[in-house]
Amino acid sequence: DTGVSQNPRHKITKRGQNVTFRCDPISEHNRLYWYRQTLGQGPEFLTYFQNEAQLEKSRLLSDRFSAERPKGSFSTLEIQRTEQGDSAMYLCASEIGGRDTQYFGPGTRLTVL
Amino acid sequence: QKEVEQNSGPLSVPEGAIASLNCTYSDRGSQSFFWYRQYSGKSPELIMFIYSNGDKEDGRFTAQLNKASQYVSLLIRDSQPSDSATYLCAVKVRGSARQLTFGSGTQLTVLP
Repeated sequence: DTGVSQNPRHKITKRGQNVTFRCDPISEHNRLYWYRQTLGQGPEFLTYFQNEAQLEKSRLLSDRFSAERPKGSFSTLEIQRTEQGDSAMYLCASEIGGRDTQYFGPGTRLTVL
Repeated sequence: QKEVEQNSGPLSVPEGAIASLNCTYSDRGSQSFFWYRQYSGKSPELIMFIYSNGDKEDGRFTAQLNKASQYVSLLIRDSQPSDSATYLCAVKVRGSARQLTFGSGTQLTVLP
């Protein structure tokens, strides 16, 4: 059983550097979501893909953030010019159309020094 | 007013007791309701979902939904120490991108 996978699991970077995270969804799940979670809070929606199309972005997703899902399979989330406020757990979730249930990957914990 | 509200806890119950977790939501367009369990340092794990008013049971877990009161709850029967975690309530709103809107979670501790 292959669930959602994310890499890297941990990333420590210095302020101002760029970072990229990868998410591999469950096979055949055509919907993919990115969320961000900070300590003591629930996950907050960032962006959503259906197949390769990015259909919605939260206002939380500043212009320093970009996400892609080039072939409708894996997705990447890039943060440019990282800030200390970007420190969080970045979660990816996938869902098969019509099933209405999202399954989360293990997350990437980002620490910006 | 937050869209999804939960008591942050912590909620402590003795082993074998019933744990009751509550959640309210503000958007009457919400149509799907989920409970996730999150252990410290881990990602959320789906444990229950409910769409219709009433109760839905799955093993030791029962989800209850009252759309008129905009209220969702999760009951955990015969609580075990392994149930100690943060429980996140999440909703999906009709017509949106179908993303989940989460509460801040309730921290549950089951005391041996």
